[in-house]
Amino acid sequence: NAGVMQNPRHLVRRRGQEARLRCSPMKGHSHVYWYRQLPEEGLKFMVYLQKENIIDESGMPKERFSAEFPKEGPSILRIQQVVRGDSAAYFCASSMRNTEAFFGQGTRLTVV
Amino acid sequence: AQTVTQSQPEMSVQEAETVTLSCTYDTSESDYYLFWYKQPPSRQMILVIRQEAYKQQNATENRFSVNFQKAAKSFSLKISDSQLGDAAMYFCALHSGAGSYQLTFGKGTKLSVIP
Repeated sequence: NAGVMQNPRHLVRRRGQEARLRCSPMKGHSHVYWYRQLPEEGLKFMVYLQKENIIDESGMPKERFSAEFPKEGPSILRIQQVVRGDSAAYFCASSMRNTEAFFGQGTRLTVV
Repeated sequence: AQTVTQSQPEMSVQEAETVTLSCTYDTSESDYYLFWYKQPPSRQMILVIRQEAYKQQNATENRFSVNFQKAAKSFSLKISDSQLGDAAMYFCALHSGAGSYQLTFGKGTKLSVIP
């Protein structure tokens, strides 16, 4: 039973480009959470999704960031027109309803 | 809003000794869960121990135990017989409210283990 899979592990983008981060939840998990970890900081909640629905996006920046979790395929966190301040580790976690969430290994985004 | 505070940015411990990492939190919910996560250099978030707020007994997992003081909103982690592999960032986290497993994290404590 594979764990939460995130890819890529490392992503380098130039300022102004788009970044797409992928998260495949654990088998049987229909809830996905995205977190961002800035250097020397803890993880900060961004968005909570269920299949085809955004449940809570209170932690998402208002512009340039979007997330989806389609009926088929992985969850995607998309950052348009990246800036240096977007450089961070982005973590995905998945769970079944009201159960413990399991984390992926994260994607480290570097904007140059 | 809920908050989690870890007041020790860095700690060190001699191998085989015991160390305690501090965490305080704030929430208006009566039903909540507290966690300690370990993050080694590989970046993987590893669940170390969890505590349900309604349980008075402190959780224990092998060499890891917690001191849960509900009235004081304190949740410290004790690591006994420290090993070199325990060196990592440790994050305290809080989950409260039904319907999702959204976590609020502290800023972390970097633990070094001295051989």
